[in-house]
Amino acid sequence: AQSVTQLGSHVSVSEGALVLLRCNYSSSVPPYLFWYVQYPNQGLQLLLKYTTGATLVKGINGFEAEFKKSETSFHLTKPSAHMSDAAEYFCAVSPNTGGFKTIFGAGTRLFVKA
Amino acid sequence: DSGVTQTPKHLITATGQRVTLRCSPRSGDLSVYWYQQSLDQGLQFLIQYYNGEERAKGNILERFSAQQFPDLHSELNLSSLELGDSALYFCASSVLGGNEQFFGPGTRLTVL
Repeated sequence: AQSVTQLGSHVSVSEGALVLLRCNYSSSVPPYLFWYVQYPNQGLQLLLKYTTGATLVKGINGFEAEFKKSETSFHLTKPSAHMSDAAEYFCAVSPNTGGFKTIFGAGTRLFVKA
Repeated sequence: DSGVTQTPKHLITATGQRVTLRCSPRSGDLSVYWYQQSLDQGLQFLIQYYNGEERAKGNILERFSAQQFPDLHSELNLSSLELGDSALYFCASSVLGGNEQFFGPGTRLTVL
């Protein structure tokens, strides 16, 4: 069984500040992990993904995430927030065994203050 | 542009009515997913098809049904509509189940 927990439904940062969005997962098999972003009135789009190999994954728009197996975490970070980063972010997990179920977290809305 | 298309973009209808939402996956993708997103419920997984067969079911009401056709496009049928069914409905596709999903722009359904 799998589950995803995103800590904090809302996160507010100042422009230029570090962005940290937290995601913890549980999975009975090694996971594939994803972060998606949703801008207002749009569908979700993939930011980055972890499948195997390097645990630090770089994505689009300067975001990166680190897979920490011991902590069952996949937190999303960006060193310096831009106003354009304001959006909703979803963490997701699926089994790496080719299973068919992807579980999405509840989402974290990021606000960026000028 | 994700390559996933959804029609219509907007739909306004009345309670008790039936509507059909259509989704065309990215070329080569065999798996199609349907999601409902509303302010109070967030993003809810409804159902998944893989190469024409139902593979996973989420929080899909009995009034809702879906299918995936031989050409891999999918339709989501919503019947006996209620005010609470007003939401954004997203379709997504992936090559296989469990891979990253590519989302369409959504259909905004308003039930009056």
